[in-house]
Amino acid sequence: QKEVEQNSGPLSVPEGAIASLNCTYSDRVSQSFFWYRQYSGKSPELIMSIYSNGDKEDGRFTAQLNKASQYVSLLIRDSQPSDSATYLCAVKDGGTSYGKLTFGQGTILTVHP
Amino acid sequence: KAGVTQTPRYLIKTRGQQVTLSCSPISGHRSVSWYQQTPGQGLQFLFEYFSETQRNKGNFPGRFSGRQFSNSRSEMNVSTLELGDSALYLCASRQSGLRTDTQYFGPGTRLTVL
Repeated sequence: QKEVEQNSGPLSVPEGAIASLNCTYSDRVSQSFFWYRQYSGKSPELIMSIYSNGDKEDGRFTAQLNKASQYVSLLIRDSQPSDSATYLCAVKDGGTSYGKLTFGQGTILTVHP
Repeated sequence: KAGVTQTPRYLIKTRGQQVTLSCSPISGHRSVSWYQQTPGQGLQFLFEYFSETQRNKGNFPGRFSGRQFSNSRSEMNVSTLELGDSALYLCASRQSGLRTDTQYFGPGTRLTVL
């Protein structure tokens, strides 16, 4: 059973701070990793994808991947109240070209003014 | 490009009934996956279709089935509904290819079983 674990929440940060979200996964051959954001009552929205070890930056978001440690993280700089949502880590099954994603349970982030 | 569309957006059914949900992927995307989201279990993979063939299946009973048409549109069917089938059903489309694993979700169908 492939597993994806996210740091337990909820996470509360003040506006302007850095929010750090973490995720570990069990499938050693996974090559594709994603962070989705889900607002209450809405569907998941892709924020970042990362495939190689290291950092990937997109605006205020930075994803970090360490395949040796089987660890993925998402940093949100200059957090805004509009960032308040549930963040889902997703890992695509390794060893296949098909797209099954395994999701973590999600971390609820609240950014307070 | 239009996004993933799902119909209907909301459904109320009673136990024992069956239901069919529909998904139209992003134009050009040939892979469609279905997921179930519940507060207790989170997001769980149901199945994936590519070129009208089921390529992968999650750990759900046979009451859950699906199909894909030649235009990549997909339907999923749940027969003999149970209370526990109440969930948000999400469809995701993907453009297959090297380094194009990204899945984009539709708005979902909220199914309530009474």
